[in-house]
Order: sequence, then structure tokens, then C-alpha cells
Amino acid sequence: GAGVSQSPRYKVTKRGQDVALRCDPISGHVSLYWYRQALGQGPEFLTYFNYEAQQDKSGLPNDRFSAERPEGSISTLTIQRTEQRDSAMYRCASSFNLAGGRDTQYFGPGTRLTVL
Amino acid sequence: DAKTTQPPSMDCAEGRAANLPCNHSTISGNEYVYWYRQIHSQGPQYIIHGLKNNETNEMASLIITEDRKSSTLILPHATLRDTAVYYCIVRVAGSGNTGKLIFGQGTTLQVKP
Repeated sequence: GAGVSQSPRYKVTKRGQDVALRCDPISGHVSLYWYRQALGQGPEFLTYFNYEAQQDKSGLPNDRFSAERPEGSISTLTIQRTEQRDSAMYRCASSFNLAGGRDTQYFGPGTRLTVL
Repeated sequence: DAKTTQPPSMDCAEGRAANLPCNHSTISGNEYVYWYRQIHSQGPQYIIHGLKNNETNEMASLIITEDRKSSTLILPHATLRDTAVYYCIVRVAGSGNTGKLIFGQGTTLQVKP
């Protein structure tokens, strides 16, 4: 079946512009996660949804970053007034949110964001 | 969530077993040990997880010490395609928990022919 998809795969923008990154999770998955990964580093948690509810946004670096999942499926991560330090790979993951430690997260291919 | 410590890199000969260690001395009783790997620029891939018993699946085996302060991921017959960064993660699981994964630096495993 189809995995997690993300679009665009590559985004180049100029400093100060807004960008919107899209994530389409695996059908039926309850939970959706956003991570950011700098070159040579492990992914860093940004935010998390159960259905349409944003459960944890403790990893969002500042108020320029926001995310939504209005219908409990597709999610959009928006970065306003982009800065060069926002350049990174942005990864989305989804899961069934099973209890008892069985919650496997499946990751998408990521969006490579470059801010000039 | 408890922190983990892994060696930064390891080598393994193709066809031999790869044993990747992880220390998690501050693990709590309700935290699971998860292993993910990341091949080149792909997204992280789930390998295996466990609470206190040893676990085995089609990809790997997970050995957790009795005191749960460390674990070892075993790839029984490493292939060149197993070259990747391997992440050991401990997290609380169950409904109501955030479920976020906290990735460290991981171990870069190089499988050599």
C-alpha cells in the first residue's frame, strides 16, 4: 500500500518568504508527527497530532512555525518569514497510535528546504 | 524520556553478525527500547522494539539486559544494504503519551565486503 507522502520533495525559497510543507499520512493512521533533520544529525521532534488535535507542539522552535491537520488526515507545516537557519530536511511520520509500545512510526521521504 | 548512549561508528564484515550496543542507564519501568535505522538520505525505518524480554523479528534481534540498563541490536547476517545509521531510542508508550521519538547521534554501521 501507499506509504507516507510529502510534497514538495525540494523547496528553495528566499529569506523572508513563507513556505507550506504538506504531509499525506498512511490511510487510517491516527497520529501524525513532524520532525526536522539537519545534515549529519538525527531527526528532531517538532509537533504531533492525534486526529485533528495538536497534542504536543513543544518542539516548534518559535512562533514562525505552525502546523495544522484540519480534517485529521493531511497536515501542513507552515514556516513564516523563513530564515537561512530554517534550511533542513523536514520529515513527517504517521502511526496507528497503538497502546502498549506497539506504536510504530512510518516516515515519509521528507522535504528538503533551502532558504537563500 | 531517558537518554541513550551509542558508539558513533562500527564496522562489520559482510555475512557476519553485527552487534550494536546501547546504554540507557536511566530507563524507567514504563519505557520501551526502540531501534530505527536510516539508510543514506531516506526516512528512518523501524527495526524492532522491546520492554524487558528479548525480541526477534525478520530483521533483527534485540537483547535487553536483566536490569534494562543496556541493550544490543543484532543483525545476524549483515549485508551491504545494512550500512546505515542505527538509532536506539527509549520512550514511554501507550495511549495518552506524546509518542515522540527523541533521536540521538546513533551508530553509523559500515558493512564491508
